Amino acid sequence: GAVVSQHPSRVICKSGTSVKIECRSLDFQATTMFWYRQFPKQSLMLMATSNEGSKATYEQGVEKDKFLINHASLTLSTLTVTSAHPEDSSFYICSVWAGGPPNEQFFGPGTRLTVL
Amino acid sequence: AQSVTQPDIHITVSEGASLELRCNYSYGATPYLFWYVQSPGQGLQLLLKYFSGDTLVQGIKGFEAEFKRSQSSFNLRKPSVHWSDAAEYFCAVGALEAGTALIFGKGTTLSVSS
Repeated sequence: GAVVSQHPSRVICKSGTSVKIECRSLDFQATTMFWYRQFPKQSLMLMATSNEGSKATYEQGVEKDKFLINHASLTLSTLTVTSAHPEDSSFYICSVWAGGPPNEQFFGPGTRLTVL
Repeated sequence: AQSVTQPDIHITVSEGASLELRCNYSYGATPYLFWYVQSPGQGLQLLLKYFSGDTLVQGIKGFEAEFKRSQSSFNLRKPSVHWSDAAEYFCAVGALEAGTALIFGKGTTLSVSS
């Protein structure tokens, strides 16, 4: 399957600052990537669908101006958490759609964001 | 609406005992079904998947799952649990529409006692 990396794996930032998280598909060109958020002891919740060369599609309740997604190439999508606050502390996971149906996806290792 | 239910939040199994994790789904057609495992602080690893054909699917690490359409279930099983199987397990459903995200259940935490 596709190998997906995320950088950084952990980040700690001060409240009010912005943080960028990268998701890379190392051996596969992905037209579609997904960003999920996972709070402690909870399931993965889809935040947005990122399509290469076009605007991301955000799920209801996710602020697009706060969570900026850029899918500039077929192998890279970035999530920028702007003006981060402690409630944004979470585990952010990206996944790559492998193409075709069925909708098999390959997941990155996740990024732990802690906002102080 | 599509949904996935994992009725058991936490299960404890003795090492060497058998395991069954339950998953029920709600979907208007035959879905694509997945089981993932997540160790603490880690990403998700695919255990197995069902797309079509044989309703009993084999996965990695000795896991298997059976798709039962009449019960809208896709339960995960392992005949003999190892201590290293302790983790969080997620069942997920994927739509037929290409490029759509998976919908995850809330997960089941598996603890293994010695």
